[in-house]
Amino acid sequence: DVKVTQSSRYLVKRTGEKVFLECVQDMDHENMFWYRQDPGLGLRLIYFSYDVKMKEKGDIPEGYSVSREKKERFSLILESASTNQTSMYLCASSYRKGRGYEQYFGPGTRLTVT
Amino acid sequence: TQLLEQSPQFLSIQEGENLTVYCNSSSVFSSLQWYRQEPGEGPVLLVTVVTGGEVKKLKRLTFQFGDARKDSSLHITAAQPGDTGLYLCAGSNYGQNFVFGPGTRLSVLP
Repeated sequence: DVKVTQSSRYLVKRTGEKVFLECVQDMDHENMFWYRQDPGLGLRLIYFSYDVKMKEKGDIPEGYSVSREKKERFSLILESASTNQTSMYLCASSYRKGRGYEQYFGPGTRLTVT
Repeated sequence: TQLLEQSPQFLSIQEGENLTVYCNSSSVFSSLQWYRQEPGEGPVLLVTVVTGGEVKKLKRLTFQFGDARKDSSLHITAAQPGDTGLYLCAGSNYGQNFVFGPGTRLSVLP
């Protein structure tokens, strides 16, 4: 079974703190993603990476950065957390299966910024 | 910009009823995925469809990819409370990116 793990299920941080969210996948997938999910807004892509040390901005990259030093690990960094970054953060990895791609998600990190 | 729409947005039914939810786009996708997400958890992949007209079955769930690969449907037969959750469709187009629909929130009452 594909396994995507995230470092924390729940996290509470103060405004202005630097926040690290870690994601690890164990299936040697090339591609990894960070999304945030908010009520009424659905899943929105923050950043993705298709190779080690490679990163691409998604739809809402402002206020975030990422790091991918190893193939299995993709980190999301909030440089200075703000209350509008309170959200559910989902990490995913994907690979090509036949003519399609399949994506697998971690359990999510619910971040609250106070 | 590729967009996916899902309908209905909300659905509440009694145990044992059948239902169909839809995922539509004006764009063509090379593949389409369906996920189910429970509260506080990440989405779980149910199926991937890649061929226009393809039908896949997963126990009581039947998934169909439209002939033109722009739309898909999910049919649940004899729904059970365990089917409750948010159903998401996502399209992928020969690349690594996925476009997600807003989801259908299903509630199956015992």
